[in-house]
Amino acid sequence: AQTVTQSQPEMSVQEAETVTLSCTYDTSESDYYLFWYKQPPSRQMILVIRQEAYKQQNATENRFSVNFQKAAKSFSLKISDSQLGDAAMYFCALYRVNRDDKIIFGKGTRLHILP
Amino acid sequence: DAMVIQNPRYQVTQFGKPVTLSCSQTLNHNVMYWYQQKSSQAPKLLFHYYDKDFNNEADTPDNFQSRRPNTSFCFLDIRSPGLGDAAMYLCATSSFEEGTYFGPGTRLTVT
Repeated sequence: AQTVTQSQPEMSVQEAETVTLSCTYDTSESDYYLFWYKQPPSRQMILVIRQEAYKQQNATENRFSVNFQKAAKSFSLKISDSQLGDAAMYFCALYRVNRDDKIIFGKGTRLHILP
Repeated sequence: DAMVIQNPRYQVTQFGKPVTLSCSQTLNHNVMYWYQQKSSQAPKLLFHYYDKDFNNEADTPDNFQSRRPNTSFCFLDIRSPGLGDAAMYLCATSSFEEGTYFGPGTRLTVT
């Protein structure tokens, strides 16, 4: 069964605009981390942002922020002021502490930035 | 400063010729992973280690093996590569406190 779901295989956004990538997950664990990874065409996987499940405050890293809705098991990524360098594949991922040490990835969303 | 290093970055091997990919880390993380990633797909977990405890995914082919001689190094051995094994191989490390970091990957071509 799919544990991390990204329902948008591709998205496009105009440069300088804001875009939101969606992710839902399923776990019975109370202690877990959620991540958004960016993978540009060069293929290096880069950590964009991480959220600890026990923290209510949404994580923010510069132009990147998340909307973490724990009850709904939703973890969306908002990119503000989109730049051409943001074009990449974005993966949502779940890490369940003390369960199996695995990182479970969604299938990814390819983001295109339109100049 | 490179934290997860993979060598080589590009590897070409012949069908059936054994190949070894290496990964090293400067983070002293307990957990290390090997992922296989094919074009436009999510990474697929092959193996992971918690310290020296080895965990093999149920669907990882027998053709793939791994070694972790110490905390810093981890190797992926492909005994008899087939054309279907051509992919990007990603190494990652993780700790509870710091999160997960990926290396740049090794792109394997099988001719």
